[in-house]
Order: sequence, then C-alpha cells, then structure tokens
Amino acid sequence: GAVVSQHPSRVICKSGTSVKIECRSLDFQATTMFWYRQFPKKSLMLMATSNEGSKATYEQGVEKDKFLINHASLTLSTLTVTSAHPEDSSFYICSARPRSVTDTQYFGPGTRLTVL
Amino acid sequence: RKEVEQDPGPFNVPEGATVAFNCTYSNSASQSFFWYRQDCRKEPKLLMSVYSSGNEDGRFTAQLNRASQYISLLIRDSKLSDSATYLCVVNKGGQNFVFGPGTRLSVLP
Repeated sequence: GAVVSQHPSRVICKSGTSVKIECRSLDFQATTMFWYRQFPKKSLMLMATSNEGSKATYEQGVEKDKFLINHASLTLSTLTVTSAHPEDSSFYICSARPRSVTDTQYFGPGTRLTVL
Repeated sequence: RKEVEQDPGPFNVPEGATVAFNCTYSNSASQSFFWYRQDCRKEPKLLMSVYSSGNEDGRFTAQLNRASQYISLLIRDSKLSDSATYLCVVNKGGQNFVFGPGTRLSVLP
C-alpha cells in the first residue's frame, strides 16, 4: 500500500517551454501533497504544500507564478514549471500524506527535469 | 542554526561494521521523527519512525532523546546494500516536515 506515482519520470525540454508533472496517490486519499526539489548532492528542499481544493502554500523564495500547483482531487496534484530555464533543471519529487495517517508521507519516484 | 542537523559524513565503513548516525533538531515542540534512506537519483524511502522508547527493526535501531533534542540511528552488521544517504526528518506538527541534509554511507567490501 501507500504507493505514489509521478509522471513523467524524466523530461528534457527547451528553455522557455512549460512542463507539467503529475503526482498521484494510487491506493489512498491524500489530503496533503508536498513538492520538493533536489539539486545534485544537495538535500531535499520543500517548495510548496498543497491541500486538496485550496491554494498551495509556497516556501520562501519559491515563485508561485513560476511553479503552478494544482491539487484538484484527493489523489492528484500537478506541478507546472512555466517558462523553464536551465537553472530549473533538477529532481522534482512529490510526496503525499494519507488522510488516515497524518504524521508521515510517502514519496513519488521523482521527475528529473533537464532544461536545455 | 539549521532546524535539523546531521553528521556531515560521508561515512565509509567495511562490511559488517556497526555505524551510528546522529541528528539534532532545534524545535522542542517537534512531534514525530523519522529516518529515511535515499539511494542515488531515487526518491527517499521511509526506513523507520522513531519513538521515545526506542525502536528496533532487524539490524536498525533508532533512539529519540527529547530532552536533548537528539535522534540516532544505529546500523549493525552493515551490508553493501546499506550504502545510501540517510535522512533525518522531523515533523513539527501538522504539515511541517523538515528534512535534515542527510548523511551519506558507503559500505565497502
């Protein structure tokens, strides 16, 4: 149980394009989903927290107009990187917190974004 | 001071060795604690939760000292497959999970 999927697993795009990443909880309802970014050999950095049906809460320094988050259902959240630039190249990981277990989270496999 | 700090690492140990990781947290109101492992270019995976009474899962033992705001992870009889980065994670309550920077372990043959 507690499986979280992400799609795509890897994406390469041109500078200036937008990329959408999907995060799904496959066998549980997730009241909260988290989006993280990880640069090589660095720790996970929380970008934003999203609750189903409400606006995401962004961490300091994360541009909400650049990283659009939609959490339309209890099993799906999307992150759209708008007008991507090479410095946005990173490993993006989502996690989901089950409705029934509030103090833990399960991670998706991550999406590796490369912006050329 | 960072909210969650860990041994800087890396730790290079031979197979069969016992290795201990330390983690400290700054928020005394933190409510729950976890150890995750992250393999290179993969997502973090929950290794174990950490309870005040201490808990053990096979070769892994986790301890929590709330008074000192300190968490530890002990790995006995280390295997090559234990090589990974170990992340200390603290839940400050509600949706506030804070990750430590991680400690990298390499178990050598």
